[in-house]
Amino acid sequence: LAKTTQPISMDSYEGQEVNITCSHNNIATNDYITWYQQFPSQGPRFIIQGYKTKVTNEVASLFIPADRKSSTLSLPRVSLSDTAVYYCLVGDGRESNTGKLIFGQGTTLQVKP
Amino acid sequence: GAVVSQHPSWVICKSGTSVKIECRSLDFQATTMFWYRQFPKQSLMLMATSNEGSKATYEQGVEKDKFLINHASLTLSTLTVTSAHPEDSSFYICSAGPRDSNRYEQYFGPGTRLTVT
Repeated sequence: LAKTTQPISMDSYEGQEVNITCSHNNIATNDYITWYQQFPSQGPRFIIQGYKTKVTNEVASLFIPADRKSSTLSLPRVSLSDTAVYYCLVGDGRESNTGKLIFGQGTTLQVKP
Repeated sequence: GAVVSQHPSWVICKSGTSVKIECRSLDFQATTMFWYRQFPKQSLMLMATSNEGSKATYEQGVEKDKFLINHASLTLSTLTVTSAHPEDSSFYICSAGPRDSNRYEQYFGPGTRLTVT
């Protein structure tokens, strides 16, 4: 499983767009990029997953450049309830069928009023 | 969507006793479930992979005799912390994914807060 590097923390204000970048220089050809969100004292929640280019769902967008050595999670117009820890994970699409996830340190996002 | 539950949500026990935590997939079957633990202000640490009908696979450094895992059915895995000590106090989280899912997506339980006094 490829190692990932994220900023430890970020601050933002309500209504702003937040972009969290994750570096994964050793990403393999079969690896997917997945982001999870975790609120205090809760289990993580799947946000979005992608392989290349751009993926968008009702919660976020994920931008992946052509070399796939990094990815950016974009949260539009954040609110106070988006304050959480965000984890970027990279893993082999085949291995990931087993569901095994290795979490890095994550990025603590603090949204201020 | 897929739902995973855990029971209890929190438990306090005395040092030396054993505690059992249940993880259930409510609306899907899971041949594999995972157990994590998380200390305050830290990330999740994978402890073991629970396999239905076979022995669990433990990550390096996790004592299999201390953390007993049983995956008796396709919807239930249990983690028993044996002879618990204060250093076992932590947040324990399980996860599972639908068998037919081919994405890197796991559904997590709400977690169980264990406090050993």
